[in-house]
Amino acid sequence: DTEVTQTPKHLVMGMTNKKSLKCEQHMGHRAMYWYKQKAKKPPELMFVYSYEKLSINESVPSRFSPECPNSSLLNLHLHALQPEDSALYLCASSYMFGTDSYEQYFGPGTRLTVT
Amino acid sequence: AQKITQTQPGMFVQEKEAVTLDCTYDTSDPSYGLFWYKQPSSGEMIFLIYQGSYDQQNATEGRYSLNFQKARKSANLVISASQLGDSAMYFCAMREGRVGNNDMRFGAGTRLTVKP
Repeated sequence: DTEVTQTPKHLVMGMTNKKSLKCEQHMGHRAMYWYKQKAKKPPELMFVYSYEKLSINESVPSRFSPECPNSSLLNLHLHALQPEDSALYLCASSYMFGTDSYEQYFGPGTRLTVT
Repeated sequence: AQKITQTQPGMFVQEKEAVTLDCTYDTSDPSYGLFWYKQPSSGEMIFLIYQGSYDQQNATEGRYSLNFQKARKSANLVISASQLGDSAMYFCAMREGRVGNNDMRFGAGTRLTVKP
C-alpha cells in the first residue's frame, strides 16, 4: 500500500477563516512533507517533518502552521490567508529523511481557493 | 541557482511511439538521487523511476527507463509504446545526499500530449 490520503479535496475559504488540511499515511514512513503548487509550476517545499519533529521550514509565513500529531498524520492549519495563497497543497511521505535514495509518495492534494 | 533543468515545456508523441523527456542537473555532491514524477490533470504526483548517482545500470520500470549520463549530468526519461493515459505533466527531481540538505528540487516540468 503506497497510499497517502488528503482531506479535503477542495476547500474555499475567506481571508478571515481558520481551516485545516489533513494528510495521512500508513506505510510506516518517518518523513512527511507539505508542498505548495501554483498552476503550471513545480511543487515548492514548505515544511518537512522527520520523526514527528519539524526539520525544515522554508521561510513559510506564519499564517501556515504545520502540526505532526503522530507518525501517520500531518496537518496544515490555515489562518488569515491571502488570495495569493490559492494553490494545490500536496502532502508527501518517504521512508526516511536525510538520504538521497528514498522516493516520496504524494497524496492527491487539496485545491485551496482563498476569496 | 537552478539545479534541475527541463528545457521542453511541451512535447507531442504519437500513440505507440517512444518519447524522450530531457532533464539536466547540476550538483557538486557526489551522492545524489534523481527522480521522475508524473502529474495528471487530477493533481496527484505519481512516482515513476529512481536513479542513484552510484548506480552502474540505467534504471528501468516497465515502459519507463532512465537514460543516465553522469558525465553530461543528464537523466532523460524514455517512455516506450506511449499510451493515451501517458498524457500528463512530467517532473524531473533531484535530492542531494549531503547531511542537512535533503529537500527534493523539481524541474519546471514537461507537458506530454499523446496523440491517437
